[in-house]
Amino acid sequence: AQKITQTQPGMFVQEKEAVTLDCTYDTSDPSYGLFWYKQPSSGEMIFLIYQGSYDQQNATEGRYSLNFQKARKSANLVISASQLGDSAMYFCAMREDSSYKLIFGSGTRLLVRP
Amino acid sequence: GAVVSQHPSRVICKSGTSVKIECRSLDFQATTMFWYRQFPKQSLMLMATSNEGSKATYEQGVEKDKFLINHASLTLSTLTVTSAHPEDSSFYICSASWGTGIRAEAFFGQGTRLTVV
Repeated sequence: AQKITQTQPGMFVQEKEAVTLDCTYDTSDPSYGLFWYKQPSSGEMIFLIYQGSYDQQNATEGRYSLNFQKARKSANLVISASQLGDSAMYFCAMREDSSYKLIFGSGTRLLVRP
Repeated sequence: GAVVSQHPSRVICKSGTSVKIECRSLDFQATTMFWYRQFPKQSLMLMATSNEGSKATYEQGVEKDKFLINHASLTLSTLTVTSAHPEDSSFYICSASWGTGIRAEAFFGQGTRLTVV
């Protein structure tokens, strides 16, 4: 069964606007961590933001914030004030406390329009 | 952040030959290293997990005799694609973690694009 689901294969956003990238997950483990990574065309994976299942507040890192809705099992990434350099693939990932593995979703390709 | 170096970044090899890819953690000791495979426009699929000094743990469907993983030290893991065939052409990327727990950050190498001709 798919543990991490990203339903948007591709997204467009106008420069300087905000965009939300969706991520839902499935786990029965009460302790888990959720990660978002950016992958530019060069291929490297860039860590963006982390949310722990027990964290009381939504994570924020600069222009990135995570809309964590635990009951819905969703962890959407919000990018504010989009920049042309934000054009890339974005992956949501999860690590369960019962496993050391980081499992990735299928990704969303974001294109920022000037 | 921590640095993980992966080498080579690109390699072209002939069908039937073997290719070795190195993954080094440059400024920390990695308790665990992971190897992923990524097809074009697709997600990262975990192939195997390696811990220093022990045998790698392979994911279901990954041939361990085809993809040999050696984790000789806390800073080096290697993936050898043996008797490579064109269907092995892909982007291979490693990551290294130190510590345990859900928050243990995974630091990624730059990836290796393998083309088998």
